Amino acid sequence: DQQVKQNSPSLSVQEGRISILNCDYTNSMFDYFLWYKKYPAEGPTFLISISSIKDKNEDGRFTVFLNKSAKHLSLHIVPSQPGDSAVYFCAATRGYSGNTGKLIFGQGTTLQVKP
Amino acid sequence: GAGVSQSPSNKVTEKGKDVELRCDPISGHTALYWYRQSLGQGLEFLIYFQGNSAPDKSGLPSDRFSAERTGGSVSTLTIQRTQQEDSAVYLCASSPEAGVLADTQYFGPGTRLTVL
Repeated sequence: DQQVKQNSPSLSVQEGRISILNCDYTNSMFDYFLWYKKYPAEGPTFLISISSIKDKNEDGRFTVFLNKSAKHLSLHIVPSQPGDSAVYFCAATRGYSGNTGKLIFGQGTTLQVKP
Repeated sequence: GAGVSQSPSNKVTEKGKDVELRCDPISGHTALYWYRQSLGQGLEFLIYFQGNSAPDKSGLPSDRFSAERTGGSVSTLTIQRTQQEDSAVYLCASSPEAGVLADTQYFGPGTRLTVL
């Protein structure tokens, strides 16, 4: 049972435009969500996170939106840059429930930003 | 400072052989996690350590998989009698503490395991 889903395996956008990456989850117990970025042959690196008590979190060019009723989150990158080309993973956890902190990941979306 | 390191970076083995994968976490990090990424899949949780104990082993796919952590530092993931479906990238992550602040999981580069 895939609790976190990224239904778009790939996305291609033009430099300077907006990139929107989507993620859906099924487990209503998740209360903390994260986006990781991964380059080839490297481990994932943390990008941005959001708590379930918020519906938006912004960090520079990156904004994450959370729609709890729809169990959906999205990552917006504005403006997109060629260096943003990577695989983006959505992850969820029960961050505030005294759990172990283990992350449940989606399958990833490969973003290509064309110059 | 030094990040999470893993060795070997690549491992090719024959079906039925045992393999050991090593993780050196960031110094002082008490929480350690193992994940794996199979081809075309997301990262899948395997096991979590707090210090030297493993309170959550729920992601280990079979009893052929085991892991230990010594001295609250280095961890070894052992796969016995490897099968072709074990082929994946095995990733280790460490964190100053578990639970809250999940965004402070720092990942190593991974070990790519290929079982022929």
